[in-house]
Amino acid sequence: AQTVTQSQPEMSVQEAETVTLSCTYDTSENNYYLFWYKQPPSRQMILVIRQEAYKQQNATENRFSVNFQKAAKSFSLKISDSQLGDTAMYFCAFMKHSTGTYKYIFGTGTRLKVLA
Amino acid sequence: GAGVSQSPSNKVTEKGKDVELRCDPISGHTALYWYRQSLGQGLEFLIYFQGNSAPDKSGLPSDRFSAERTGGSVSTLTIQRTQQEDSAVYLCASSETTGDQPRTQYFGPGTRLLVL
Repeated sequence: AQTVTQSQPEMSVQEAETVTLSCTYDTSENNYYLFWYKQPPSRQMILVIRQEAYKQQNATENRFSVNFQKAAKSFSLKISDSQLGDTAMYFCAFMKHSTGTYKYIFGTGTRLKVLA
Repeated sequence: GAGVSQSPSNKVTEKGKDVELRCDPISGHTALYWYRQSLGQGLEFLIYFQGNSAPDKSGLPSDRFSAERTGGSVSTLTIQRTQQEDSAVYLCASSETTGDQPRTQYFGPGTRLLVL
């Protein structure tokens, strides 16, 4: 069975600094997708970044980038130039595709607090 | 355009009562997911609808939980004889299932259920 592990329940970072959130997963599949979602106090889950497993190039979205290590089954999120608005819960998610179905497995989340 | 909407946003009920939670997915999205998020926890998968296929109910925690999706659009999650441990935020998400892009989920704001 697939699992997603986020080993950092809470983290904090100073405004304008860089922080990295870790995520590891376990799967025997070769074709899958990985996502990072952000859930601010408003509760609305928002997609931050996504990565296709068949792509070697790490995905980047403005201040957010990932370090995808397929062999190590690691998918960390780096937030550069942290802003107060980045304060939120961050969830790593794994999606598998099997005969027309798409199922997601989420980690338990990392609570990030950006300090002024 | 309109995102995923859920109603009610908050629901307080007494133990033993039945509740219905509603989800309106993004128009044209054929996949719909229900998750449960308990306080301080990650997302627990409940059920997944894909087009006209039989739903994947593998995540439903007990037979008190059921869901339906009428006309391939609106979905209702029903919890019968609610228990205090059912208290959580119930999140709905929808996604497209066409094309080759990762099937990004778009989440609703959730329904916070409190069982007294």
